[in-house]
Amino acid sequence: NAGVTQTPKFQVLKTGQSMTLQCAQDMNHNSMYWYRQDPGMGLRLIYYSASEGTTDKGEVPNGYNVSRLNKREFSLRLESAAPSQTSVYFCASSEGGPGGAGKLFFGSGTQLSVL
Amino acid sequence: AQKVTQAQTEISVVEKEDVTLDCVYETRDTTYYLFWYKQPPSGELVFLIRRNSFDEQNEISGRYSWNFQKSTSSFNFTITASQVVDSAVYFCALSGNSGGYQKVTFGIGTKLQVIP
Repeated sequence: NAGVTQTPKFQVLKTGQSMTLQCAQDMNHNSMYWYRQDPGMGLRLIYYSASEGTTDKGEVPNGYNVSRLNKREFSLRLESAAPSQTSVYFCASSEGGPGGAGKLFFGSGTQLSVL
Repeated sequence: AQKVTQAQTEISVVEKEDVTLDCVYETRDTTYYLFWYKQPPSGELVFLIRRNSFDEQNEISGRYSWNFQKSTSSFNFTITASQVVDSAVYFCALSGNSGGYQKVTFGIGTKLQVIP
């Protein structure tokens, strides 16, 4: 059982380049999330999708776009990467709603460096 | 707005000592959930526990125990007889009904080092 799979694991970009982080879950979860983790900042929510067909901004959405392609997949796109977007990115999923509230299942993370 | 404060950024203990990780939260929601997550050196985040705001019973799971006190807005985590495998960053988190429970707010984490 793979759980949450995100790719790539590592990426180096130059300022201004674009890229898409891919995420897929096989747990039939309704909700999916993208977080970034920075030293001294904990995890901060970038975007989330409460259910298929919906997306909403989190705490730090600027510079990012997302697509909930189907129930399984939720991608994060950086259109024009900036050094401030150097971070570790985590995709997560949950059942959603009060019953599944906050019980997140995380992918293994993507370490992104923007030069 | 909701907020989670983990005042201890790093703690070091000698193996077999007990250690308590503090978590203080702020929320205006009437219904909310509190969580602890573990991030070992491998980097993956693992769910440990969820507590809802109506359940103030302490919980014990093996060497782990959690003390939820609504009166002090705290949800502390104690590891008894710590082991080297407990070395990790521990995150306290919160989600509430005003965000549809989807917006989970994390603290900055407490890095625990257990010395053999």
